Amino acid sequence: AQSVTQLDSHVSVSEGTPVLLRCNYSSSYSPSLFWYVQHPNKGLQLLLKYTSAATLVKGINGFEAEFKKSETSFHLTKPSAHMSDAAEYFCVSLDTGRRALTFGSGTRLQVQP
Amino acid sequence: GAGVSQSPSNKVTEKGKDVELRCDPISGHTALYWYRQSLGQGLEFLIYFQGNSAPDKSGLPSDRFSAERTGGSVSTLTIQRTQQEDSAVYLCASSLALNPGGMSANYGYTFGSGTRLTVV
Repeated sequence: AQSVTQLDSHVSVSEGTPVLLRCNYSSSYSPSLFWYVQHPNKGLQLLLKYTSAATLVKGINGFEAEFKKSETSFHLTKPSAHMSDAAEYFCVSLDTGRRALTFGSGTRLQVQP
Repeated sequence: GAGVSQSPSNKVTEKGKDVELRCDPISGHTALYWYRQSLGQGLEFLIYFQGNSAPDKSGLPSDRFSAERTGGSVSTLTIQRTQQEDSAVYLCASSLALNPGGMSANYGYTFGSGTRLTVV
C-alpha cells in the first residue's frame, strides 16, 4: 500500500526567505505525486504534479518540487516566501490500486512579516 | 459548470439526524470522489465512482455512510444517524476518465470547496 509522510506539521518562515516543505513517499513502484495547497475557507488547489516526465517539477506561484527516487522524497520548495503563501500544504500520491488519492497529514506554513 | 460545486457549504445537524451532501462535478468528468477532512486529521478517502462501474466503497467508515451517483453526474453522500465524530469537512473531487491502462489521462483532479458538517 502507498503512504505519504509529511515530516513537519508546521513550518514558519520569514517573508522573502526560502520555503522547504518535506514529503516522503512509500511505494513499491514509481508513483504519481502531487502537492496541493488549501487556503483558509478555500478548496484544495493543485500546485504541481510529478508523473515521471521530469524529476524537477515546476508549479504555480513559484513553487517547485524534485522527485528523488533514491531518497523516496518529493520536497516542495520556493526561493522566496510571500505572505500569501500562508496555507496548509498536502503531499499526495495516486493510489492506482484503489484509484484514489492518498494524502499526507498536511503541513501548515506560516509566513512572518 | 466551471468547477466542482458542493452544497450546502455549511451544515449543522443534531446528533441522530440524517444528512445529505451534494456534489456536482465538472461536466465531462466521469470519475467522482468523496473525501473527508476531520479536525487535526489528514484527508481521508471515502468512496470513488467511475462511469457505470460499481463504486469503490472501501473508504466508508461505517454502514451509516452511503453515496450514490445519478446519471453519471451529480452525487449525494448520505450519513444516517449522525454522530459527533462525523463532524468534518466533506470534499468532493472529479477527474477525467481513466484510460485502459488505469491511469488518469492528465491527473486533472479538481476539488470542490467542501461541506463543513457540524454534529451537535
